[in-house]
Amino acid sequence: KAGVTQTPRYLIKTRGQQVTLSCSPISGHRSVSWYQQTPGQGLQFLFEYFSETQRNKGNFPGRFSGRQFSNSRSEMNVSTLELGDSALYLCASQGMGENTEAFFGQGTRLTVV
Amino acid sequence: QKEVEQNSGPLSVPEGAIASLNCTYSDRGSQSFFWYRQYSGKSPELIMFIYSNGDKEDGRFTAQLNKASQYVSLLIRDSQPSDSATYLCAVKRDRGSTLGRLYFGRGTQLTVWP
Repeated sequence: KAGVTQTPRYLIKTRGQQVTLSCSPISGHRSVSWYQQTPGQGLQFLFEYFSETQRNKGNFPGRFSGRQFSNSRSEMNVSTLELGDSALYLCASQGMGENTEAFFGQGTRLTVV
Repeated sequence: QKEVEQNSGPLSVPEGAIASLNCTYSDRGSQSFFWYRQYSGKSPELIMFIYSNGDKEDGRFTAQLNKASQYVSLLIRDSQPSDSATYLCAVKRDRGSTLGRLYFGRGTQLTVWP
């Protein structure tokens, strides 16, 4: 069974640009969450999607947005990039049933210069 | 008040010793508890989860949960240099729901020296 797939693995962008990251969850998983990880702040929750609807949102500015498609694949977008957006962006998928552990993809390392 | 707190570390133990990692959480209604291992430059990998009070063992790993004390721990027996990583404690409010964010601690860096 394939795991969570994130693309691209690495990105270098310039301040002011925008970026789109992609996440394909484990087959059969319908919930996708996004997290930002930085050395200073640790893992911070961005948002969660289920059945193409945003169900939870963290405390990030509106420059951070996301969406989920009917096949459960998700994208997140960051507009008007700032240097502080440099981070590891992680996607996690959860299944259904009694126990719903979250599994992470390999992440996208974003560097803003 | 931080949702999830971990002993800050770093923690250094010799090979073969028991490593003990601790975590407390503030939301008494939390139902699901997870331990992730993260190697440098990699993504978090789920290694243990526990939902009920008591101990849960999986190989060299034992997770312990005490909901009354709002405390969860991870013991690594016969520690190996390959266990050297950052260990993240995560808490989720709901069990049996496919929704719900994880609240993470800042992690404890473990080094196992030969």
